[in-house]
Amino acid sequence: ETGVTQSPTHLIKTRGQQVTLRCSSQSGHNTVSWYQQALGQGPQFIFQYYREEENGRGNFPPRFSGLQFPNYSSELNVNALELDDSALYLCASSLDRKNIQYFGAGTRLSVL
Amino acid sequence: GESVGLHLPTLSVQEGDNSIINCAYSNSASDYFIWYKQESGKGPQFIIDIRSNMDKRQGQRVTVLLNKTVKHLSLQIAATQPGDSAVYFCAVDHGKLTFGTGTRLQVTL
Repeated sequence: ETGVTQSPTHLIKTRGQQVTLRCSSQSGHNTVSWYQQALGQGPQFIFQYYREEENGRGNFPPRFSGLQFPNYSSELNVNALELDDSALYLCASSLDRKNIQYFGAGTRLSVL
Repeated sequence: GESVGLHLPTLSVQEGDNSIINCAYSNSASDYFIWYKQESGKGPQFIIDIRSNMDKRQGQRVTVLLNKTVKHLSLQIAATQPGDSAVYFCAVDHGKLTFGTGTRLQVTL
């Protein structure tokens, strides 16, 4: 167990809806990164938050947004859901920006 | 940018044998590499890491080798066990992780 928890574990939405995914980082970790993992693929970097500020973003449109709270937990918001957004969304926390990232079990999002 | 590739999508080994999983990366400036193991229904689990100032690092039953000249790294698992069955990813760490597509390790009895 990594101490990184994500909720919910599964979610079903319809196209055009909005979704919020949550992540609690491991105790003492100030950096949270979000990844999208399509079936059969490696995780793709969405963005990273360090001390409540966005610290790098991957090749994802602006409808993917995030937030980090003072306790370093984080949210991933996706607006105007598309079918291709169906994936496993992974959160990883680390002690700092360039330390080992420890992953949660992920949230499986299905968009119908 | 960085691209990471794994040489084999699937590797089948007998229990007790050694496993070798290979990975290639594209950016010669990359200096930090991590291997993750992902079991079905779980998130990636850290196995071992290596920085570019080393060419070999050992953990419990695992060894990572880094060849910067040809931009290649490998993960060796000694005495492979059924519990080692999973998908293995190498990742290059630039603050964000760039993953390969993964190698599925199947352990046969």
